[in-house]
Parts: sequence; structure tokens; C-alpha cells
Amino acid sequence: DIVMTQSPDSLAVSLGERATINCKSSQSVLYSSNNKNYLAWYQQKSGQPPKQLIYWASTRQSGVPDRFSGSGSETDFTLTINSLQAEDVAVYYCQQYYVVPWTFGRGTRVEIK
Amino acid sequence: QVQLVQSGGEVAKPGASVKVSCKASGFTFTSYYIHWVRQAPGQGLEWMGWISPNSGGTKFAQKFQGRLTMTRDTSISTVYMDLTMLRSDDTAVYYCARDFPGRGSDYWGQGTLVTVSS
Repeated sequence: DIVMTQSPDSLAVSLGERATINCKSSQSVLYSSNNKNYLAWYQQKSGQPPKQLIYWASTRQSGVPDRFSGSGSETDFTLTINSLQAEDVAVYYCQQYYVVPWTFGRGTRVEIK
Repeated sequence: QVQLVQSGGEVAKPGASVKVSCKASGFTFTSYYIHWVRQAPGQGLEWMGWISPNSGGTKFAQKFQGRLTMTRDTSISTVYMDLTMLRSDDTAVYYCARDFPGRGSDYWGQGTLVTVSS
């Protein structure tokens, strides 16, 4: 199975500042036939189901604010939240969907400092 | 609009079974795989498997082999997740999620809490 390692486990960021979350996969999730990384980011607020923010490592899902951005390729990925807002308090998960079983990182809790 | 509406919470005894439903609307039911993901209290997300509503084909995570069944009823656009031989560590919120091909899970159900307790 592909192991997804997220860091940090939690971080506290001041309103308006940047939050950066890292995710490393134990093997490449780059699909060579279309040159897409099969890596997604999800946001989960307390008591709610996950919401997809990013797919293909860097493509924002429709309706997701542009302060959320994803980057990286093959095994190393980053989710950046620019100008953190109060409504961004949540746990964020990376997921690879390159191969079954799909696997998730353990999550990063983002709080307001 | 795309919606996945799950059945209500369940309480089951150890060794029993539970069946959770997920009713789809707002899209062509047979065109998208449905995945099931669970989340134990205070824990992360765990992928369980998928079902093709078109063919009924399934794929499960190894740890659930032999205990997990997924079925569908195309006449009512509903998929079912059936987990048997329940243990206390199966206590979790179970989510269904739509698979957009090549993009991961773009829509999720609201979740169903399954509590396993004697």
C-alpha cells in the first residue's frame, strides 16, 4: 500500500497569514499516460464530511477559494492556504487515488493563533 | 445538484451485521463508482472499497475481505454497504463518496454513525 505521510500534525496560524501543509507519498502517484498526479486534498470541518479542495495535486475544485493552492509532483506535495480565514479552521487530508487501496494522510489540524 | 443521502445511525452488537444505504441524485447513477470511507471517533479517514453501480463489480481493502459486501439497486439509485462480524473497533462514521474518474471523490454523503456495543 502507498503510505501518505503528512506534516505537521497541527499548526496554528494568525488570521491573514499563510498555512503550509506537506504530504509525502511512499511511491510516485504520477500517472504517466496523462502526466497527472493522482493526489487530492480534502478539508474536514468539525462534524462534517470531507470536502474536496484540490485534485491532480494542483487543480482547485469548483467553488474553492483561490487562497487554497496545491503544488508538487511524484512523491512530494504541498497545500498552501494564503491569508488564512476563520472559516478555514479544519483538518486537512491528502489522499492518493493512483492505486487501490486509496490511502489518506493522517491529517493536519489548522487552528487560529 | 449532486446529492448522496445516507441512512440513519445504527447501533449493533458485537458479532452482528449492519447495512448502510446511500441514495444518489442529481447525476447519472450508473456512470460513477461509489466509494465507502470510514472514520473512527477522533481518527483519520480509512478507505474501505468501491462499487460500480453499472456492473455491480466491487473492490475492497484487504482488511475487510470476507466481512464487507457492497450492492446496488439501480431502480432507486442506491448503493448499500454491508459489514458483518462487527467488532467494537468498527465503531465509526461511514461515508459514501462519488468517484469522479481520475479526480478522486468529489461529493460525499453526510455520514452514518455505526456504534458497536454490547
